Amino acid sequence: QSVLTQPPSASGTPGQRVTISCSGSNSNIGSHFVYWYQQFPGAAPKLLIYKNDERPSGVPDRFSGSRSGTSASLAISGLRSEDEADYYCAALDDSLSGPVFGGGTKLTVL
Amino acid sequence: EVRLVESGGGSVQPGGSLRLSCATSGFTFSGYYINWVRQAPGKGLDWVGRSRNKANSYITDYAASVRGRFTISRDESKNSLYLQMNSLQTEDTAVYYCATEGSNSGPDFEYWGQGTLVTVSS
Repeated sequence: QSVLTQPPSASGTPGQRVTISCSGSNSNIGSHFVYWYQQFPGAAPKLLIYKNDERPSGVPDRFSGSRSGTSASLAISGLRSEDEADYYCAALDDSLSGPVFGGGTKLTVL
Repeated sequence: EVRLVESGGGSVQPGGSLRLSCATSGFTFSGYYINWVRQAPGKGLDWVGRSRNKANSYITDYAASVRGRFTISRDESKNSLYLQMNSLQTEDTAVYYCATEGSNSGPDFEYWGQGTLVTVSS
């Protein structure tokens, strides 16, 4: 059971906009920045969003993040087949004195 | 170019030990926090611990699940980070990644290695 809760799966068709949610508590998302990672099978995770809504250099602006209260969301607009991957949210947690991750969401592009 | 290369993974019996290495290049080794993150087969990401930077005395932090069994250390002369794992349990089976921490304001893991697989089984 992960500290941060994500839906196990999400799907969309090319061109659509999909959102992936991440639910936490006051000890993590409610008081710390949220980060998002993209991971393809057999590869290391890649930082997609940092500090709630910032994109590292090279990440397309189709990817956006937001945080409200104890929840966060990752939105992908103009969905492409190459976006099919696992997505993880992460945040610091005061109770655990370290970072925690969501369980991951497998995104399928239909 | 920033590079992190893990090595040292393999198969070990429960109760055994293993030492992982993370060889780095392309950045100022002493200036960065570096983390270990693991991923059990078919499962999600799990933070193991980290070594803070030299300015913070290379202080180490650990997840509760590994505290007292795992030890993180550095060798500046080799620009390398290590993870000494003792009293290994079957639930420690995972791919272990090292990753740099970009901003020290959270799990801002900017650069990752390719990972090394640790299998704990009798």
